[in-house]
Amino acid sequence: GENVEQHPSTLSVQEGDSAVIKCTYSDSASNYFPWYKQELGKRPQLIIDIRSNVGEKKDQRIAVTLNKTAKHFSLHITETQPEDSAVYFCAATGDYKLSFGAGTTVTVRA
Amino acid sequence: EPEVTQTPSHQVTQMGQEVILRCVPISNHLYFYWYRQILGQKVEFLVSFYNNEISEKSEIFDDQFSVERPDGSNFTLKIRSTKLEDSAMYFCASEEYGSDEQYFGPGTRLTVT
Repeated sequence: GENVEQHPSTLSVQEGDSAVIKCTYSDSASNYFPWYKQELGKRPQLIIDIRSNVGEKKDQRIAVTLNKTAKHFSLHITETQPEDSAVYFCAATGDYKLSFGAGTTVTVRA
Repeated sequence: EPEVTQTPSHQVTQMGQEVILRCVPISNHLYFYWYRQILGQKVEFLVSFYNNEISEKSEIFDDQFSVERPDGSNFTLKIRSTKLEDSAMYFCASEEYGSDEQYFGPGTRLTVT
């Protein structure tokens, strides 16, 4: 089955700086890669996703990149703000069921 | 904006008891999922459900687990005889046909004592 590794497990950044979270996956058949943000006590929220026919996607301050050859994908948050503090999960799937990374706790310092 | 809802938010039960966790998916979605997250661990897939039947299940989803869509709106997860290791946050998710995008409910925290 699919195995998704996520790094780092924690990330502390100064407000205004960028944050980068990296994930690798094992199953070359995976073709859909969503990212979820989970604030304390709340549901995981889908914030951005990328499909295997695309190398990069951007939505305001967040962007995702995908390297299918190397089987890795990354989340980039620019100009971080205190409300970006949360746990971020990457996931991968080729057959509907999502395989998740272990999560990255992002703390934005004011 | 429509959201997936789940009840209860927290369930405490004794080992060996049956529990039913309830979910109301987004109304026009056709794919339904249950995931769980043991404290401090990854979110893990349990089961997917489409067209009134299970389409895939993980090795976690053994004979003690079952799912049902008893009516047009609810989607339930039943654990027949709970074990201590079933303590976790259980998330329901739903997906519109053809979209790949899964939307999660707020979760039910199950505590088995």
